[in-house]
Amino acid sequence: GEDVEQSLFLSVREGDSSVINCTYTDSSSTYLYWYKQEPGAGLQLLTYIFSNMDMKQDQRLTVLLNKKDKHLSLRIADTQTGDSAIYFCAENSNSGYALNFGKGTSLLVTP
Amino acid sequence: SAVISQKPSRDICQRGTSLTIQCQVDSQVTMMFWYRQQPGQSLTLIATANQGSEATYESGFVIDKFPISRPNLTFSTLTVSNMSPEDSSIYLCSVTELQETQYFGPGTRLLVL
Repeated sequence: GEDVEQSLFLSVREGDSSVINCTYTDSSSTYLYWYKQEPGAGLQLLTYIFSNMDMKQDQRLTVLLNKKDKHLSLRIADTQTGDSAIYFCAENSNSGYALNFGKGTSLLVTP
Repeated sequence: SAVISQKPSRDICQRGTSLTIQCQVDSQVTMMFWYRQQPGQSLTLIATANQGSEATYESGFVIDKFPISRPNLTFSTLTVSNMSPEDSSIYLCSVTELQETQYFGPGTRLLVL
């Protein structure tokens, strides 16, 4: 299948901005997603972006999409300890609905 | 957004037995999916649960091992059959309402001894 790649770990200080990066290979992706998974919990849909957009902002979250380079990023402003979690990048596969996930980035926010 | 519940939330099972996981949605949804998340790994799609017909399985997953039912637009079950320790995973159902939004249930944490 198509690949979605993410860095595995990121550590930031509380109050700083976090940037989580993702690359994908499926040029036919229509939507790209960011999910958050806290320990022992399911996946929470944080935000998503349509492939013809290059930016989407939602409160502390900013998603940037470079479709030419197939690069997606999630910026979390004023990162808090409650933001510590695993963040998954995902794209919809050729079948249209099912999602193809990256391995997840573990974000650790230190006081 | 749709509210999704799964039962059981977790279980410990003996090898060779089977477990049926239920997924219930509070509204009618178009598509329902079953994913597996092995320890420390990402999510892998098992199958698409089709209402009123056989599920569509992804490569590497077969109906005999993971039978799926979807009797209506709000409910689906996944059975993990003849379990082995390698089946220890989190099993998640997900649903789509509109094509761009896909929501996940809380997951079922399965440990096979």
